[in-house]
Amino acid sequence: DAEITQSPRHKITETGRQVTLACHQTWNHNNMFWYRQDLGHGLRLIHYSYGVQDTNKGEVSDGYSVSRSNTEDLPLTLESAASSQTSVYFCASSGRVSGELFFGEGSRLTVL
Amino acid sequence: DQQVKQNSPSLSVQEGRISILNCDYTNSMFDYFLWYKKYPAEGPTFLISISSIKDKNEDGRFTVFLNKSAKHLSLHIVPSQPGDSAVYFCAASGGRDDKIIFGKGTRLHILP
Repeated sequence: DAEITQSPRHKITETGRQVTLACHQTWNHNNMFWYRQDLGHGLRLIHYSYGVQDTNKGEVSDGYSVSRSNTEDLPLTLESAASSQTSVYFCASSGRVSGELFFGEGSRLTVL
Repeated sequence: DQQVKQNSPSLSVQEGRISILNCDYTNSMFDYFLWYKKYPAEGPTFLISISSIKDKNEDGRFTVFLNKSAKHLSLHIVPSQPGDSAVYFCAASGGRDDKIIFGKGTRLHILP
């Protein structure tokens, strides 16, 4: 079965460190998204991509970057982790723009 | 500025009764609306959607109503079951880049 997987599922890091969260999907979807979920804020869009070499900023992109070198993967990088980036991160993909999103199980990141 | 608003953080409903979750939006360019359900420690899963050309969409126990003039949509669950206890996110897309924007979510408790 096609799926979307995130790794690591849990990570603890220190302020200032670079962190990369991986997202891999096997649906061959063009569209991929990164969201963060925080209490009181719901799901907020960080970055998204509509195809290889395409990346776009979302609502809360400061301090984050993504790259899309192939269809299957959209890694999210925190260049210099901050405590405000402690959150649960969800990757999602869809087969068409505005279409149903398929989410991964989430990556819980703690920045100390 | 929040474009998708879910003003009720939580809602408790007796098992067997109707659950009504509400959502308001501000962006008149939105033309596609979705509801997602999320259990703890899992990614959100798609529940039901509606296009702006319709005012109602039904799928089993779930019905979504759209009132474009009021920029309001609601999700009705009838009858409510214990497994419906979860966080429900309203989402919308449309406009120039069609990215999907989520509300803050409503936690639904189904009481025995």
